[in-house]
Amino acid sequence: DGGITQSPKYLFRKEGQNVTLSCEQNLNHDAMYWYRQDPGQGLRLIYYSQIVNDFQKGDIAEGYSVSREKKESFPLTVTSAQKNPTAFYLCASSITPQGRYNSPLHFGNGTRLTVT
Amino acid sequence: AQKITQTQPGMFVQEKEAVTLDCTYDTSDPSYGLFWYKQPSSGEMIFLIYQGSYDQQNATEGRYSLNFQKARKSANLVISASQLGDSAMYFCAMREARSSHGSSNTGKLIFGQGTTLQVKP
Repeated sequence: DGGITQSPKYLFRKEGQNVTLSCEQNLNHDAMYWYRQDPGQGLRLIYYSQIVNDFQKGDIAEGYSVSREKKESFPLTVTSAQKNPTAFYLCASSITPQGRYNSPLHFGNGTRLTVT
Repeated sequence: AQKITQTQPGMFVQEKEAVTLDCTYDTSDPSYGLFWYKQPSSGEMIFLIYQGSYDQQNATEGRYSLNFQKARKSANLVISASQLGDSAMYFCAMREARSSHGSSNTGKLIFGQGTTLQVKP
């Protein structure tokens, strides 16, 4: 079955360490996204990529980095510069976004990151 | 700039009754899409229903319908015959046809703050 896989489901890190969250999709989607969700809050866009080897900052990109070397993969690195990294991280994908504003995002099951 | 507002942090509904979750939006782009997602306590995001800005009729998907009032910029979700499994957080989201910097690429999908729905037996 096609879908989006995020791993791991739970991740624990010490403050000051970088950590990379994995996101893989086999839906053949061009666009991929990373969102952050804090308890009881909505989703905020961190980074998105509409094509391989290209990505754009979202609303809260500071302290995060991404790469898009393959169509299927869009890993997110939470760096030590991110002041409050503990959150729920959701990866999503959609078919090519150009002129297709009606295409919904398909989400992975998320990674819950705790930094102490 | 595009904006989504959900003013109801929490809602209760009796099982088998209908409930309306409010969503208002703001955009200057005439072409846009509105989405509703459900997030159970497990955290997954489940796509429920879509309404396009040019759609003449309100969208429906099973027990879900979207009350689209374009002039008022509202896109309320109506859930009929509520079930216990409907208890979850619900998010309204919007995507413009063009990105904020005017390229031909579709804009990003932005979300409201969400409404937590609890269905009472």
